[in-house]
Amino acid sequence: AQSVTQPDIHITVSEGASLELRCNYSYGATPYLFWYVQSPGQGLQLLLKYFSGDTLVQGIKGFEAEFKRSQSSFNLRKPSVHWSDAAEYFCAVGRRYGQNFVFGPGTRLSVLP
Amino acid sequence: DTAVSQTPKYLVTQMGNDKSIKCEQNLGHDTMYWYKQDSKKFLKIMFSYNNKELIINETVPNRFSPKSPDKAHLNLHINSLELGDSAVYFCASSQGWGDSNQPQHFGDGTRLSIL
Repeated sequence: AQSVTQPDIHITVSEGASLELRCNYSYGATPYLFWYVQSPGQGLQLLLKYFSGDTLVQGIKGFEAEFKRSQSSFNLRKPSVHWSDAAEYFCAVGRRYGQNFVFGPGTRLSVLP
Repeated sequence: DTAVSQTPKYLVTQMGNDKSIKCEQNLGHDTMYWYKQDSKKFLKIMFSYNNKELIINETVPNRFSPKSPDKAHLNLHINSLELGDSAVYFCASSQGWGDSNQPQHFGDGTRLSIL
């Protein structure tokens, strides 16, 4: 079975600063990888996904993520954070041959003005 | 147009009661899910249905009974509610089955509070 860790429970950055949220996974094969964002009181919205091919994927809202097989990581980045990016971010791993997602514990992002 | 809609958004009830949460998706997806998000924001899958058939049934008390009248609806009925059932319950849907490369689309959640 796959598993996901997000080492940072809470991150605070200043508006305009760059951002990197960490995600590490455990899975025996190449996984399907996703990042979701959850704004307060809302459901989860897909930011981006990786299945195969180019290891740097672009998503919505100016986010990107890079798949590094050697490090079993799929870190989310944004060059310049906006106050509206304050939210909870979840990394998720899906496996081939089975409709079973596993979500990481989430990282809460706070943005200082 | 709401893609995945859940009702009610908030549900406050007493211990021991029975309640239902409804979910509908208008995306034409084949697969629907129920997740529980606890107070620490941890998301855990409870059930998954594909074309009205139960596919995933994680270790969930049998007080929780999902029902899928058609592939666009997946309702969750909870009997004899307990304090530990307080959480936010999310419905989600995705296209296809057998390969989890399709992202899931989530509803806005139902916040269940047990008094």
